[in-house]
Amino acid sequence: NAGVTQTPKFRILKIGQSMTLQCAQDMNHNYMYWYRQDPGMGLKLIYYSVGAGITDKGEVPNGYNVSRSTTEDFPLRLELAAPSQTSVYFCASSYSGFGNTIYFGEGSWLTVV
Amino acid sequence: RKEVEQDPGPFNVPEGATVAFNCTYSNSASQSFFWYRQDCRKEPKLLMSVYSSGNEDGRFTAQLNRASQYISLLIRDSKLSDSATYLCVVNGQGNQFYFGTGTSLTVIP
Repeated sequence: NAGVTQTPKFRILKIGQSMTLQCAQDMNHNYMYWYRQDPGMGLKLIYYSVGAGITDKGEVPNGYNVSRSTTEDFPLRLELAAPSQTSVYFCASSYSGFGNTIYFGEGSWLTVV
Repeated sequence: RKEVEQDPGPFNVPEGATVAFNCTYSNSASQSFFWYRQDCRKEPKLLMSVYSSGNEDGRFTAQLNRASQYISLLIRDSKLSDSATYLCVVNGQGNQFYFGTGTSLTVIP
């Protein structure tokens, strides 16, 4: 029962570097999401996708990009890393429809120095 | 106005105590409601769904009041293992999930 799998778990980036956080789910969920959570704060939506080939911005999309070429995968690209992007990133997925819950990956801890 | 608002706490209660958390939501068209639990440095996990008729799971009881747009979680006979942050979650239109900032609970021996 893999659920939502994120890699890497931890990463340190230098300012200006770029990287991709990988996310995969094996539950055949149509919706996928990327959130960030700063220390002591709530979850903020970065991007989401309603299905393969369709993505949309969330609350805090600046500095990030996503793609959704398959139902299973939803990578998050950080371009030109900045210290403000130091955070923990959670990928999540869900079915659409009434009563459906959201499932999270274990998180990716990113530090930009 | 935030979509979901919670009292951040912290709540520090002795073992065996009963503690209640409340949360309010702003969109009356919201469709589904949940409580999630988040342990330190871990991902949020579903604790229970919330229905208008109420939902009980062991020591945990969740209630929804649509007229007042608030959701509650009651924990009876608190255990040390209940220490965590509890997130109120609302699923609105377009399958968007809105999260409260969480209420921190520490159960003290």
